[in-house]
Amino acid sequence: DGGITQSPKYLFRKEGQNVTLSCEQNLNHDAMYWYRQDPGQGLRLIYYSQIVNDFQKGDIAEGYSVSREKKESFPLTVTSAQKNPTAFYLCASSRTGINEKLFFGSGTQLSVL
Amino acid sequence: AQSVTQPDIHITVSEGASLELRCNYSYGATPYLFWYVQSPGQGLQLLLKYFSGDTLVQGIKGFEAEFKRSQSSFNLRKPSVHWSDAAEYFCAVGVEEYGNKLVFGAGTILRVKS
Repeated sequence: DGGITQSPKYLFRKEGQNVTLSCEQNLNHDAMYWYRQDPGQGLRLIYYSQIVNDFQKGDIAEGYSVSREKKESFPLTVTSAQKNPTAFYLCASSRTGINEKLFFGSGTQLSVL
Repeated sequence: AQSVTQPDIHITVSEGASLELRCNYSYGATPYLFWYVQSPGQGLQLLLKYFSGDTLVQGIKGFEAEFKRSQSSFNLRKPSVHWSDAAEYFCAVGVEEYGNKLVFGAGTILRVKS
């Protein structure tokens, strides 16, 4: 089945630690996105990529980093510079363009120990 | 600033009753408009979308939405709610002039009472 897979489902970060969230898609989509979800705030865009080896900052990129070395993969690293990382993180993909349907993964809940 | 507003944080309706979830946006250009639904601890699923043409669009699960340019609104409706419709609903707006990304509203949590 085609889809978008996020792992792990739950992740815990210690103080000063970097952690990486995985996102893989087998839909042959060009565009991939990372959103952060906090209760009552909806989804806020962290980073997005429209093509391999290229990505752009979203609205809340500080404290995060990404890479897009392969079309299928768009990992997100939450660095120690992100002081409030506890949130639900959603990865999405689409063929291209904002008029396309977004396909979402099932999310990763990140918590701080 | 560009924004998407969902004025209702929570809505409770009785099973079988009608539903309307509100969405307003503040963009000058003609936007692409979407409604997504999220079950707890899951990703989002597209209900419907509007780009152009007929301002009343039909989606999955019996939902529909109407685009009203004069009111900058894209409200979601369902004539008869089922208990399985309990979820969080997000309106999203995209405008090409502002890049290849969507802006989401804060969401409306729907509770269905039997």
